[in-house]
Formats: sequence, structure tokens, C-alpha cells
Amino acid sequence: QKEVEQNSGPLSVPEGAIASLNCTYSDRGSQSFFWYRQYSGKSPELIMSIYSNGDKEDGRFTAQLNKASQYVSLLIRDSQPSDSATYLCAVGFSGGYNKLIFGAGTRLAVHP
Amino acid sequence: DAGVTQSPTHLIKTRGQQVTLRCSPKSGHDTVSWYQQALGQGPQFIFQYYEEEERQRGNFPDRFSGHQFPNYSSELNVNALLLGDSALYLCASGGTAGADTQYFGPGTRLTVL
Repeated sequence: QKEVEQNSGPLSVPEGAIASLNCTYSDRGSQSFFWYRQYSGKSPELIMSIYSNGDKEDGRFTAQLNKASQYVSLLIRDSQPSDSATYLCAVGFSGGYNKLIFGAGTRLAVHP
Repeated sequence: DAGVTQSPTHLIKTRGQQVTLRCSPKSGHDTVSWYQQALGQGPQFIFQYYEEEERQRGNFPDRFSGHQFPNYSSELNVNALLLGDSALYLCASGGTAGADTQYFGPGTRLTVL
């Protein structure tokens, strides 16, 4: 059973701080990794994708991947109240064909 | 450039009924995947369609079936509805085989009474 694990939270950070979200996965052959943001009652919105070990930055977001440790993280710098949402980690199944396996999500709360 | 669209937005059914949900992929995309998201959970993969064929399937019973049309739009059908089928049903579209990035539609909220 291929699994993706996330802390459910809530993760509470003050406005302006760095929020760190973590995810581990069980399928060592996974090749693609995604972070989605989901506001309450809405559908997931793609934030970042990462395929290679190391860091990938996009604005205030940085995704980090360590395939040896089967670990992927998302850093949000200068957190804003509008970042308050559930963040879903998704891993591309190594069998290909775009099948994604999702974690249960981490709820982030950014307070003023 | 239109994104992924889904209809209807909300649906209420009773146990034992059948339901059909519809999805149109993002322009330029030919692969459609369906996911079920129960409250407080991450999306669970139901199945994926490419070139009008079901390409792979998750751990869902045969009550869940689908179809893809020549214009790449897709339907999800659920027969003999159970209370546990109440969930947000998400459609995601992606590019041709090998392109991993998927974009989600707004979802259909199904409530089974």
C-alpha cells in the first residue's frame, strides 16, 4: 500500500513567520511531487511541483525534496493570513500515468 | 483559456439512486482523472481516462464507472448510492501521457441521504 503521510495540524504561525510543512512517502520509486493548497469548501490549487533532489523556489514558497529520506517539505516565507488553508502533499505513483497519491493534508493557520 | 469545469456544483441523492457527474478538461489536456475527497481526508484516486479508455483504476467498486468522449470531456457514474459515497468529487486534467502536473476543477459536492 503506497502511502503519503502528513501531520494533520493545525500548524499555527504568526503573520510574517516561516511556515514549514512536511510530508513523507513510502514508494521509493516515486518521481514527481506536488503541493496543493485547499481553502475550506474549495478544490485543490497547485502551488509547486518538484522532481529533483534539492530546493525549488517560487516567490514566497520553497519546496524541498530528499528522495533518499523519502521526504518532501514546503516552506512559506512571510506567512500571511490569506495563506491559512489546508496544504496537501501529493506524490506521483511510480507506475506513471499521472496517478497521484495524496496525504490527508496539514491545516495551516496564520494569525495576525 | 478555460480551466477545468465540472457540473453540477452540488447534488443531493437518496440511497440506491444513481448519479452522473461531468467534467471538461483544461484546453489542450487529454487526460482526465477522477478523485473522491471525503471530509477531512485527502483526495482518493478513482480512475483515469485517456483516449476514451480507462487507463488505470484505484480501489473503488464497480459501482463507480466512467466514460471519456472524443472531445476529452468525461463522466463519472455511481450506481446504487450509499451514505458513504457522500463526498467532494474532483476532476483533474493533465497533458499527454508522461506529463504529471494535474489541475483540478471546482468539484461536485454529492450528498447521499
